Amino acid sequence: EPEVTQTPSHQVTQMGQEVILRCVPISNHLYFYWYRQILGQKVEFLVSFYNNEISEKSEIFDDQFSVERPDGSNFTLKIRSTKLEDSAMYFCASSVEHMGQGGNEQFFGPGTRLTVL
Amino acid sequence: AQSVTQPDIHITVSEGASLELRCNYSYGATPYLFWYVQSPGQGLQLLLKYFSGDTLVQGIKGFEAEFKRSQSSFNLRKPSVHWSDAAEYFCAVGAQYGNNDMRFGAGTRLTVKP
Repeated sequence: EPEVTQTPSHQVTQMGQEVILRCVPISNHLYFYWYRQILGQKVEFLVSFYNNEISEKSEIFDDQFSVERPDGSNFTLKIRSTKLEDSAMYFCASSVEHMGQGGNEQFFGPGTRLTVL
Repeated sequence: AQSVTQPDIHITVSEGASLELRCNYSYGATPYLFWYVQSPGQGLQLLLKYFSGDTLVQGIKGFEAEFKRSQSSFNLRKPSVHWSDAAEYFCAVGAQYGNNDMRFGAGTRLTVKP
């Protein structure tokens, strides 16, 4: 069964460093997302991406964050200068269609745990 | 925008007992509703979803949920809990119109006693 994959599973970085989290969405999906979950808290939406551009973003997704689809398969989240409060589990997700198209399900990857020291 | 409340932070049930996890949503139109389960250190696995039609939906692992528009609820149920059901459960709501993101509740942690 097709699945969303994410690498690395765990990333440790120093405050102020740049990190890139990688995701490979399901191959025929057109919409891609990043969510994060700070330890012990709810899963929060960061950004959605369609047709090579950001379609929606939350207030969390500030100028320190960027997303890219550098090739036909990868979808990346970059944090330019990490802060302690960026420590969280980051989930990538993908869907065939927009939510409004019959409530299309988002498929989640296993997550990357980011630890900022 | 849509939102979700899960009133119970932590629930403990005995193995074999029935389970109901509460979820209340806020959205101006018919919502899309989801239940996900997260085992420790794992990702999010979809248990079931409601888009339209029959308000009682069946999911994997013997779970079901009922959409009640009058109560703005989408409670998750299982008639007999197994020790392997111990996990964190998240209710989520998607919008039929407009934004494409899902809003998650804070989660309910389920502990199963032997």
